[in-house]
Amino acid sequence: GAVVSQHPSRVICKSGTSVKIECRSLDFQATTMFWYRQFPKQSLMLMATSNEGSKATYEQGVEKDKFLINHASLTLSTLTVTSAHPEDSSFYICSARAPNNEQFFGPGTRLTVL
Amino acid sequence: QKEVEQNSGPLSVPEGAIASLNCTYSDRGSQSFFWYRQYSGKSPELIMFIYSNGDKEDGRFTAQLNKASQYVSLLIRDSQPSDSATYLCAVVEGGGADGLTFGKGTHLIIQP
Repeated sequence: GAVVSQHPSRVICKSGTSVKIECRSLDFQATTMFWYRQFPKQSLMLMATSNEGSKATYEQGVEKDKFLINHASLTLSTLTVTSAHPEDSSFYICSARAPNNEQFFGPGTRLTVL
Repeated sequence: QKEVEQNSGPLSVPEGAIASLNCTYSDRGSQSFFWYRQYSGKSPELIMFIYSNGDKEDGRFTAQLNKASQYVSLLIRDSQPSDSATYLCAVVEGGGADGLTFGKGTHLIIQP
């Protein structure tokens, strides 16, 4: 299957700082990428759909000014958690949609906000 | 509001037996159905997808879909300890171009 990478795999930051997470499709071009969040013992929840060259589409209840998404190229989407707080601590996972619509998941980023 | 329901478990199955995982969904517009396996601290990995009513087999795995009952299941034959994981059911409208709606997952334990 196709490979999707995420960086960093783990980040610890202080409350009030911003954190950027990168999602890259390594062997295919993805016009659409998705960002999910998973709290402990919960399922993955779709946060937003990232579209190359246009604004992201956010799910209900997700603050677009807090979770900034940029999809500047066909292989890279970034998620920036601005002014992070402890309640933002979670496992953030991206997926990239291949031309056949199959979604390939990145390995995830564990964010801990102190 | 789209909902995907799964029994959280844990579901304990002896090694070599058949594990049966079930999932129901609320959105009748759902067209594509996926089963993912997730190990603790890792991201999900796709096991199977199914679009049409009936059964779809891939090795030890069989997915079953009944759109009338809004029910999808996953059977794992000859269960192995390495199959112990959380199994996530996910659905999406149409051909899969949208984001996935996941269930909370069933924690499966294969007992040696």
